[in-house]
Amino acid sequence: QQPVQSPQAVILREGEDAVINCSSSKALYSVHWYRQKHGEAPVFLMILLKGGEQKGHEKISASFNEKKQQSSLYLTASQLSYSGTYFCGTEIVVQGAQKLVFGQGTRLTINP
Amino acid sequence: GAVVSQHPSRVICKSGTSVKIECRSLDFQATTMFWYRQFPKQSLMLMATSNEGSKATYEQGVEKDKFLINHASLTLSTLTVTSAHPEDSSFYICSAPFSGTGFNQPQHFGDGTRLSIL
Repeated sequence: QQPVQSPQAVILREGEDAVINCSSSKALYSVHWYRQKHGEAPVFLMILLKGGEQKGHEKISASFNEKKQQSSLYLTASQLSYSGTYFCGTEIVVQGAQKLVFGQGTRLTINP
Repeated sequence: GAVVSQHPSRVICKSGTSVKIECRSLDFQATTMFWYRQFPKQSLMLMATSNEGSKATYEQGVEKDKFLINHASLTLSTLTVTSAHPEDSSFYICSAPFSGTGFNQPQHFGDGTRLSIL
């Protein structure tokens, strides 16, 4: 049920690009993306609901493939403030209970 | 400003103590809240779904009698770690859907509670 993220960690220089992937063996209702800085709460970035959807802006954007089994988060011309751990999450319903479950996270380090 | 308030932010206590963590939605009502536990450098692991007016739904492996959840009102959910032991030390975070309920809603997260059991 838990989505799988890759890579586990990325180290970049400021200005470089990064792609973080999130995949599932089954079609997802939705994909959430969050960023968490050390010792802080996760912060919502965006949510994708439809197959083929792309969302975001020039610097941070995401896509959701047609089969709704994979999503990618794109970080363009990274800034120091982009450092943190990125989580994708998806909502599932099990025996009538609504749940939001997360991938294992991708730790992004941006160096000057 | 924060739309989900979590309190306390840090607790240090002796083994055997029970600890209550509060999660409040500010300026909106939340019929559903989620409780997560996060160990260092690991993911957010869902513990339970808190439902206003009904029993919480616990994840497999989470002891209901140890982690008591009470969703007493539309703006407050509490998690009580009963008779806490060192292995319960972790970062506990709550979240509520932006709309307060419903599927496919972004989540507001509380600032988390760092629990340390000596």
